[in-house]
Amino acid sequence: GAVVSQHPSWVICKSGTSVKIECRSLDFQATTMFWYRQFPKQSLMLMATSNEGSKATYEQGVEKDKFLINHASLTLSTLTVTSAHPEDSSFYICSAPSTSGRALYEQFFGPGTRLTVL
Amino acid sequence: KQEVTQIPAALSVPEGENLVLNCSFTDSAIYNLQWFRQDPGKGLTSLLLIQSSQREQTSGRLNASLDKSSGRSTLYIAASQPGDSATYLCAGFTGNQFYFGTGTSLTVIP
Repeated sequence: GAVVSQHPSWVICKSGTSVKIECRSLDFQATTMFWYRQFPKQSLMLMATSNEGSKATYEQGVEKDKFLINHASLTLSTLTVTSAHPEDSSFYICSAPSTSGRALYEQFFGPGTRLTVL
Repeated sequence: KQEVTQIPAALSVPEGENLVLNCSFTDSAIYNLQWFRQDPGKGLTSLLLIQSSQREQTSGRLNASLDKSSGRSTLYIAASQPGDSATYLCAGFTGNQFYFGTGTSLTVIP
């Protein structure tokens, strides 16, 4: 199957700093990528849809100025958590759907990024 | 808005048992339904994908079925093993968004 990577896998930062998380589709092109966050023992919550070449679409309640998304190419989307605070500590996961082949729109997930804000 | 529910929320079974995980969705207009496995602190691993035109998919000891008319999907795990212990999530794709279920936490006791 297709592979999606995330970097870093774990990051600890001080309150007030910004953190950038990368999501890459390694062996396929992704015009769309999804960003989720997951709190302990809870399911995934969609934050935004990242679109290559255009602005991201944010879900209701997600601050677009705080969670900056850039879809710079067909294989890379970045999520920047600006001025991070302890309440932003969470598990951030990206995904990309396949757009061709037998498993059309099968979604492939990155391994996730654990963010801890001190 | 699509709502996806999974029952049970948690399940504990002895090794070797066959088991069924349930997923129900409120809007039958889904393009496909996907089952995932998530280990603690890890990302999601895709297990099975059922297109809306299909009724079931099988992979090894796993079998997933889809009944769009009733808004239900089931994941059947045969001869469970301790390594199957994980959280299982279902997600329906509507064409522009995936909607995730609440998850079933499975523990297989050796």
